[in-house]
Amino acid sequence: SQKIEQNSEALNIQEGKTATLTCNYTNYSPAYLQWYRQDPGRGPVFLLLIRENEKEKRKERLKVTFDTTLKQSLFHITASQPADSATYLCALGSNTGNQFYFGTGTSLTVIP
Amino acid sequence: EAGVTQSPTHLIKTRGQQATLRCSPISGHTSVYWYQQALGLGLQFLLWYDEGEERNRGNFPPRFSGRQFPNYSSELNVNALELEDSALYLCASSQGDYSNQPQHFGDGTRLSIL
Repeated sequence: SQKIEQNSEALNIQEGKTATLTCNYTNYSPAYLQWYRQDPGRGPVFLLLIRENEKEKRKERLKVTFDTTLKQSLFHITASQPADSATYLCALGSNTGNQFYFGTGTSLTVIP
Repeated sequence: EAGVTQSPTHLIKTRGQQATLRCSPISGHTSVYWYQQALGLGLQFLLWYDEGEERNRGNFPPRFSGRQFPNYSSELNVNALELEDSALYLCASSQGDYSNQPQHFGDGTRLSIL
């Protein structure tokens, strides 16, 4: 069965630095990958979507890469701020809409 | 634009009882998805409804069921509740099926089984 691993459960970084979160997957060939942010007690909020034929996507301070050979996506937050502290989830899906798989998430804390 | 709304916010039940959770999607969205988020686990896909039909279901027993109404709202029913059903149940909606479409989530119903 498919497996999605996100890097260490918790990541602490200093304000102003770049946070890099990792999403690795096995036994699956997703057509696209999405990243979501989840705050405590709230539902996930969509951030970015990247397709299998795209190498990189950017939105303001966010950047996502997708390497189908390595079966890995990297999610970068540049010039991080304490307000970026949250849990970040990656999710993989296919074009057929059969299933949509979420990773367990990485908790990011940006220290002032 | 109103977001996805879920009710109730919290629900407390005992083992063996039945629970009904409700979800109203964003206006114009025809697809509704249900997920279970248990403590320490990721979101587990439960059900997908589109245009009133069940399109897919995750690896959950049949006591998890639901339906979608003509106005695209949806309810999730869980019968014969077990302790391990305690979790946050999230509903999401999108325009059409979720291939290449972001999902918009509600803030969930916290179901506690005593």
